[in-house]
Amino acid sequence: QQQVKQSPQSLIVQKGGISIINCAYENTAFDYFPWYQQFPGKGPALLIAIRPDVSEKKEGRFTISFNKSAKQFSLHIMDSQPGDSATYFCAARGLKTGANNLFFGTGTRLTVIP
Amino acid sequence: EAGVAQSPRYKIIEKRQSVAFWCNPISGHATLYWYQQILGQGPKLLIQFQNNGVVDDSQLPKDRFSAERLKGVDSTLKIQPAKLEDSAVYLCASSRQGSSAGANVLTFGAGSRLTVL
Repeated sequence: QQQVKQSPQSLIVQKGGISIINCAYENTAFDYFPWYQQFPGKGPALLIAIRPDVSEKKEGRFTISFNKSAKQFSLHIMDSQPGDSATYFCAARGLKTGANNLFFGTGTRLTVIP
Repeated sequence: EAGVAQSPRYKIIEKRQSVAFWCNPISGHATLYWYQQILGQGPKLLIQFQNNGVVDDSQLPKDRFSAERLKGVDSTLKIQPAKLEDSAVYLCASSRQGSSAGANVLTFGAGSRLTVL
């Protein structure tokens, strides 16, 4: 059972455009929602994260929008650059005492065309 | 700071053989994780250690997978015997302990890619 559903599977954007990746979850007990960026041959790296008591978080060109009632959150990459070409994973953390168990989406492969 | 070190980077084995992966976390990180990333999927947690104790191993196939972190620093993940469906990248990650600042931030290694033939 996929705890976090992510779309689209792949995305092609022109340089300077806006990239939008969407995620949805069912478990209302999730308390932390990070996005990870992964380049080929590398491990995922934390990009930006949000808690459910906040509707939006912005860091540079990256913004998370969070809709608690709809149980959805999305990543917006403004002014997309070729260097942003990577696979992006959303994730959600389940509440389990002492555990930091992240459930990852299936990933979105972003290609930014120069 | 040095990153999370993993070895080997690549391993090819026949089914029913055994394999072991090693991970050295970031210095001072008390929490260590092993994730399995099958091609085209997101990482899935196999086991989480806090120092040398297991916090969560609910998704570890214990009939064939084992992991240890004897001295609370580096860790080994073993698969015996391997199956075709174990072909994946095995990612190790570490984070600071408990509720301290940065505890939510997982730093991943580059992973060990396993191919089972």
